[in-house]
Amino acid sequence: DAGVIQSPRHEVTEMGQEVTLRCKPISGHDYLFWYRQTMMRGLELLIYFNNNVPIDDSGMPEDRFSAKMPNASFSTLKIQPSEPRDSAVYFCASSLQGSWEYSPLHFGNGTRLTVT
Amino acid sequence: EDQVTQSPEALRLQEGESSSLNCSYTVSGLRGLFWYRQDPGKGPEFLFTLYSAGEEKEKERLKATLTKKESFLHITAPKPEDSATYLCAGLFPNSGYSTLTFGKGTMLLVSP
Repeated sequence: DAGVIQSPRHEVTEMGQEVTLRCKPISGHDYLFWYRQTMMRGLELLIYFNNNVPIDDSGMPEDRFSAKMPNASFSTLKIQPSEPRDSAVYFCASSLQGSWEYSPLHFGNGTRLTVT
Repeated sequence: EDQVTQSPEALRLQEGESSSLNCSYTVSGLRGLFWYRQDPGKGPEFLFTLYSAGEEKEKERLKATLTKKESFLHITAPKPEDSATYLCAGLFPNSGYSTLTFGKGTMLLVSP
């Protein structure tokens, strides 16, 4: 089991540039989540998908953020244009729907984004 | 106002010195309370789920308990490898899967 794979691990970019973060969920998982973690606010849910369909994007901060899931094995989170306040660690997580006991979130190791 | 509050923010223990971490929540009708462990540079790793008051779960030196208003993560005779940030998260009613609300975590450091 390779786990949830995120890329890149680190991204440094200048304000105004486009940033694309990538995620490969665990095979067979039908839920995919994007979270953002900062010291001030902790882990915040941005958006989640079920069977590749966006279900709730109410956590997306603003229109500069967009997420897609073109197939069951790939998702992207895009920020355009990026701003310094977007600097954070972005996590992708996947889950297999079913009994809560057996479907905890499985997180990737995150992408640390720094916008200068 | 935070729905899930963890205390203390940081805790330093000597190896073998048992203690407890607290997770309290302000929303009633909790559907599930989750504990995760997060190591530096890694994503959170699932530890336990608790569903009802009075429930307890154990894993090695860790035991999680749940009351109607809070959960505790008890650490018995900790070792340096237990050093990590421990996160709790609550799943609240009428919220769907999407609002698994995380606390900000307790950073635990166990010294040898």
